[in-house]
Amino acid sequence: AQSVTQLGSHVSVSEGALVLLRCNYSSSVPPYLFWYVQYPNQGLQLLLKYTSAATLVKGINGFEAEFKKSETSFHLTKPSAHMSDAAEYFCAVSEGGAAGNKLTFGGGTRVLVKP
Amino acid sequence: GAVVSQHPSWVICKSGTSVKIECRSLDFQATTMFWYRQFPKQSLMLMATSNEGSKATYEQGVEKDKFLINHASLTLSTLTVTSAHPEDSSFYICSAHDRYGYGYTFGSGTRLTVV
Repeated sequence: AQSVTQLGSHVSVSEGALVLLRCNYSSSVPPYLFWYVQYPNQGLQLLLKYTSAATLVKGINGFEAEFKKSETSFHLTKPSAHMSDAAEYFCAVSEGGAAGNKLTFGGGTRVLVKP
Repeated sequence: GAVVSQHPSWVICKSGTSVKIECRSLDFQATTMFWYRQFPKQSLMLMATSNEGSKATYEQGVEKDKFLINHASLTLSTLTVTSAHPEDSSFYICSAHDRYGYGYTFGSGTRLTVV
């Protein structure tokens, strides 16, 4: 079975500083990986996804993530944090490495941005 | 882009009554719909998966007679919480998947409070 581990349930960064959110996965097949952002009392918005193409994936709002098979990681980064980046972030893997299968989510990382 | 409209965004109901939550895919066909439950400050927990025209597949521990899922068309899925009790109070989120590349699109969520 798939699993996703997000290291750090809370991350605090200063505005303008690097944002780094860690995600490690386990999968017996090549995975499809996703990063989502959730603002309070809202659904999830897709930031980016990896579907076996380029290992460096660029997403919306300046975020990007790099798929590293050897490390089973898919860490999310943004060079310069903005106040609007304060939210909850979820890493997810698609079961069976295919689109349309159910997603397994990590525990989430809450980002706080300090002015 | 793909949009999933989820209604209501919040609902308060009395214990023992039933509540229906709707999710509509506005500009694509949702071949698969996922229903999640999210407790405060926690990740998403998959409740069930439904394919259009088929019975839903429930995750272990989810009562199928309590959480009725209908996916009668490619654009509409409903979750009915029957005989709701205070412990059913939660944030419910749907996610639609289409086969043509939009991937997983999430609704905005429904905050259910049972009093």
